[in-house]
Amino acid sequence: QSVLTQPPSASGTPGQRVTISCSGGSSNIGSNTVNWYQQLPGTAPKLLIHTNDQRPSGVPDRFSGSKSGTSTSLAISGLQSEDEADYYCAAWDDRLYGWLFGGGTKLTVL
Amino acid sequence: EVQLVQSGAEVKKPGESLKISCKGSGYSFPNNWIGWVRQMPGKGLEWMGIINPNESVTRYSPSFQGQVTISVDKSISTAYLQWSSLEASDTAMYYCARHARSSGSRTLDHWGQGALVTVSS
Repeated sequence: QSVLTQPPSASGTPGQRVTISCSGGSSNIGSNTVNWYQQLPGTAPKLLIHTNDQRPSGVPDRFSGSKSGTSTSLAISGLQSEDEADYYCAAWDDRLYGWLFGGGTKLTVL
Repeated sequence: EVQLVQSGAEVKKPGESLKISCKGSGYSFPNNWIGWVRQMPGKGLEWMGIINPNESVTRYSPSFQGQVTISVDKSISTAYLQWSSLEASDTAMYYCARHARSSGSRTLDHWGQGALVTVSS
């Protein structure tokens, strides 16, 4: 059982805006920055959002992140078929002194 | 360009030992910790542990403490994950990732391509 809680699935139609939530606690999201990863089928996770809301170069601005307290969310606007993937939130945990991942959200583009 | 290149897929029998590798390039290897992440078939990401290449200091997830050993040879910019006695339940994809720190933020920013370990009799 993951300490960071994400919905197991999400869906949307092309062009729609989809939001994926992730909730944690005071020792992880509440006191550290959050990262989001995209994992396409059969590939390694790819950093999508770092430091709560920052996009690495090359990541389209359709992807955005936000954080409030012990919760965070990833928004994808202008949904495209190529966005169909698993999405994971992650944060450093001060009590564990290690990384925590959310359970992952499988995004389906209908 | 930062790259982490992992060793290839392995097929082992229960009870056998295994050591997989992760070679970093394109950055100062000693100055960034390396983390290991497990992904069992059809499942999510699980943090296993992390190593500081400069001091060879390790930290393990309680779930993996005593089950695996993480080590590093900074002279060849390579981190390792090893098992002394594999079990069928160790069948999974294993990823290494660079742990970057800056201005109070932490990120596993670059990932290896993964190494599939299959344990079967």
